[in-house]
Amino acid sequence: SYVLTQPPSVSVAPGQTATITCGGNNIGRKSVHWYQQKTGQAPVLVVYDDSDRPSGIPERFSGSKSGNTATLTISRVEAGDEADYFCQVWDSSSAHQVFGGGTKLTVL
Amino acid sequence: EVQLVESGGGLVQPGGSLRLSCAASGFTFSVNYMYWVRQAPGKGLEWVSCINADSNIIYYADSVKGRFTISRDNARSSLYLQMNSLRAEDTALYYCAKGSGGWQMEKWGQGTLVTVSS
Repeated sequence: SYVLTQPPSVSVAPGQTATITCGGNNIGRKSVHWYQQKTGQAPVLVVYDDSDRPSGIPERFSGSKSGNTATLTISRVEAGDEADYFCQVWDSSSAHQVFGGGTKLTVL
Repeated sequence: EVQLVESGGGLVQPGGSLRLSCAASGFTFSVNYMYWVRQAPGKGLEWVSCINADSNIIYYADSVKGRFTISRDNARSSLYLQMNSLRAEDTALYYCAKGSGGWQMEKWGQGTLVTVSS
């Protein structure tokens, strides 16, 4: 089955840039989506189709992809960005949605 | 405003059954893929199942295939998940989510908690 690998945790100081990676075999051929989940809340889509932002999501959130890795970048990090972040793809070969294990972003 | 409200969760014994519902509003329910995603306590997100607008394309995670059945009623703007032969490892918060033109889940409900325990 298809696997997406994320680092368990990332820490960053306020105002700095956070990068959260999501690795998967041939991920370049798939559309990658990112979700933010704050403690006790439902997930929120923050990036879809690798690099597009839904309406209402700040421009500070951006996505990119290179080789076998997709990246969510959060610029000028704020305390309110502290959350778990999950990447997700549709694996057409298995007809399964796949989530990464999640990355806990800590704002120092 | 898009709203998704799940219901039907609760405490059930192993081997038991439960039916979850998701009431949708604020969008044209009959044109979207819909999803169930679960999250065990303290764990990550796990996709459970999805169904297309016409109910003729349905997919399940391997962990629930043969035990869970997804369905929808477009006239009632409602999504369902019939869960049979429940196991302790099915204990989780179950989210209903709205699909979009691609495979992303663009809006999520607040979830309903299912606890499988004797």
